[in-house]
Amino acid sequence: GAVVSQHPSRVICKSGTSVKIECRSLDFQATTMFWYRQFPKQSLMLMATSNEGSKATYEQGVEKDKFLINHASLTLSTLTVTSAHPEDSSFYICSARVPGYNEKLFFGSGTQLSVL
Amino acid sequence: AQTVTQSQPEMSVQEAETVTLSCTYDTSESDYYLFWYKQPPSRQMILVIRQEAYKQQNATENRFSVNFQKAAKSFSLKISDSQLGDAAMYFCAYRRAHSEGAQKLVFGQGTRLTINP
Repeated sequence: GAVVSQHPSRVICKSGTSVKIECRSLDFQATTMFWYRQFPKQSLMLMATSNEGSKATYEQGVEKDKFLINHASLTLSTLTVTSAHPEDSSFYICSARVPGYNEKLFFGSGTQLSVL
Repeated sequence: AQTVTQSQPEMSVQEAETVTLSCTYDTSESDYYLFWYKQPPSRQMILVIRQEAYKQQNATENRFSVNFQKAAKSFSLKISDSQLGDAAMYFCAYRRAHSEGAQKLVFGQGTRLTINP
């Protein structure tokens, strides 16, 4: 089946630094990827839709200058949390739509971000 | 906006027994998809089962089946012969079938399922 690889799985950083999270589709080309955020014991909330070659579409309330998304190739989307603060600590998950499997989305394994 | 509601924060079942997880949703669309995802402690999201709204027949995948009631906007998941490996958070999710943003998933709050040996 389709594989979505997400790195790193865990990152700890100091407040004020920036962190980049990568989401790769390993055996297919993903024109669209999605970034979710999950707080402890809560559901997944969509942050933004990443489209290859164009600007990302952010959900209401998500700061686009805070969460920079780049989808420069058909196999890679990155989420950069800029000037991270403790309240940005969360679990971030990417997912990708698999061409030919219109109703299926495959998820990465997630990244636990802890900002000290 | 579409919403998905899971009213059971936690459920537990004896191993080998059957359990049903509830999910309701709200939408004005007539064509859409519904999903159940499993999130084990590893936090990897795993698709359990999906249902196309235009299909009246309830989807089944081995021990997992759904009861899809379109008029009532209800989409419950039944797990038969529960196994220890079924223990996880279960999320109900909705996705529009057409128009812009049709790929976005809207998730419910989740139900934590515990399997008692």
